[in-house]
Amino acid sequence: QQPVQSPQAVILREGEDAVINCSSSKALYSVHWYRQKHGEAPVFLMILLKGGEQKGHDKISASFNEKKQQSSLYLTASQLSYSGTYFCGTLTTPNAGNMLTFGGGTRLMVKP
Amino acid sequence: DTGVSQNPRHKITKRGQNVTFRCDPISEHNRLYWYRQTLGQGPEFLTYFQNEAQLEKSRLLSDRFSAERPKGSFSTLEIQRTEQGDSAMYLCASSLTREQFFGPGTRLTVL
Repeated sequence: QQPVQSPQAVILREGEDAVINCSSSKALYSVHWYRQKHGEAPVFLMILLKGGEQKGHDKISASFNEKKQQSSLYLTASQLSYSGTYFCGTLTTPNAGNMLTFGGGTRLMVKP
Repeated sequence: DTGVSQNPRHKITKRGQNVTFRCDPISEHNRLYWYRQTLGQGPEFLTYFQNEAQLEKSRLLSDRFSAERPKGSFSTLEIQRTEQGDSAMYLCASSLTREQFFGPGTRLTVL
C-alpha cells in the first residue's frame, strides 16, 4: 500500500523552513527520500532505517519514528534550489530487493 | 558521465504499435529496476533484476510488457500493442546497495 505524504504542496520564501511527512499503514523497514525537478530524474537524498535514526546533510535532515511508522523530512533555511517534488519510497522488509513503494509526492516551491 | 542512461528520451507511437526502451545502468551495479511514472504521481514499481535474473514483476506489468537483462548489463523494456493508457514516463534505476540511482527516463506518448 502506498505511503501517504503531507502536505501535497507547499510554497515558501527563501530562508523559511518546511517539514514534509511520509506515513505508512504498514510497519516499515526503511524510508528513502528523493527530490525530482520538473522533467528530470528523481535524485537520491537519504535513507533512514528502522531504529528511529535521524540523518542530515547540509540543511536537509530527516527522522524516522518507528512507533508511528512515519518519516519526516526537514528543510531549513530553504534555498531556491530546493524547489521540486519530494517523494518518499518505503520498504517493509529488508529482503524486498529494494522494490520501493513511493508516495504521491509533495510539491515544494521556494520563491525569492 | 557514469550515471544511468536511457534511450530514447522521448517516444511517440500510434496505438497498437510495439515499442522498446533501453536502460544502461551504472557499470558496477548488479540491481536494475523499471518504474512507471504518470503526471503528478510517484514512480510505480514494474520489475526488478538482480544480475540477469528477473526476480520480481508487478501486477501492473500485463502480458503486453516484457523486460530482459541479457548478461546482467543493459536492460530492455518492450511494450507490445501499445494502448493510450501506457502513456507515461518509464524510469530505470540501478543500485549496488540500498541507494537507487535513476536515469532520466523515456517519455512515451501513445496516440
